[in-house]
Amino acid sequence: LAKTTQPISMDSYEGQEVNITCSHNNIATNDYITWYQQFPSQGPRFIIQGYKTKVTNEVASLFIPADRKSSTLSLPRVSLSDTAVYYCLVGRRNNQGGKLIFGQGTELSVKP
Amino acid sequence: GAVVSQHPSRVICKSGTSVKIECRSLDFQATTMFWYRQFPKQSLMLMATSNEGSKATYEQGVEKDKFLINHASLTLSTLTVTSAHPEDSSFYICSARFGTSYEQYFGPGTRLTVT
Repeated sequence: LAKTTQPISMDSYEGQEVNITCSHNNIATNDYITWYQQFPSQGPRFIIQGYKTKVTNEVASLFIPADRKSSTLSLPRVSLSDTAVYYCLVGRRNNQGGKLIFGQGTELSVKP
Repeated sequence: GAVVSQHPSRVICKSGTSVKIECRSLDFQATTMFWYRQFPKQSLMLMATSNEGSKATYEQGVEKDKFLINHASLTLSTLTVTSAHPEDSSFYICSARFGTSYEQYFGPGTRLTVT
């Protein structure tokens, strides 16, 4: 399973766009990139998943360059409720029984 | 859809006693369930993978005799922390997936405090 590296923490203000970058230099051909969000004392929540280029949903966008060695989660116009820990995970579909290995995550703090 | 529940949400027990935590998939059949542990300010750590009707597979360093996992049905998995000690105090989270789907759906977690 590819190892991921993210900034430990980030600060932002309400209304700003936040970009969190994740490095995964050892990503394999069949690996997908998935981002989860976790609020304090809650289980993680799926945000977005992608394989290459750009993926967008109602919550976020995911940018993946051609070499796929990194990815950027983009949160448009954040609010206070976006304060959470964001995890980037890389893994193959159906590999090793579907295990997800969480890295340290990025603690995002949104201020008024 | 794809809702996973855990019970209890928080529990306090005395050192030396055992505690059972339930994880249920409410609207789908979970062929695989996973158990994680999370200490304060740390990431989730996978403890074990549980497939319905078979023995759980534990991650390296996780004591299978201390953390008993049962996955007797497609909608229920239980984690029993036996002879709990204060160092077992943690946030325990389960997740579930159906079939060979990559997506996992997480429960809300159970806060265990051992006094």
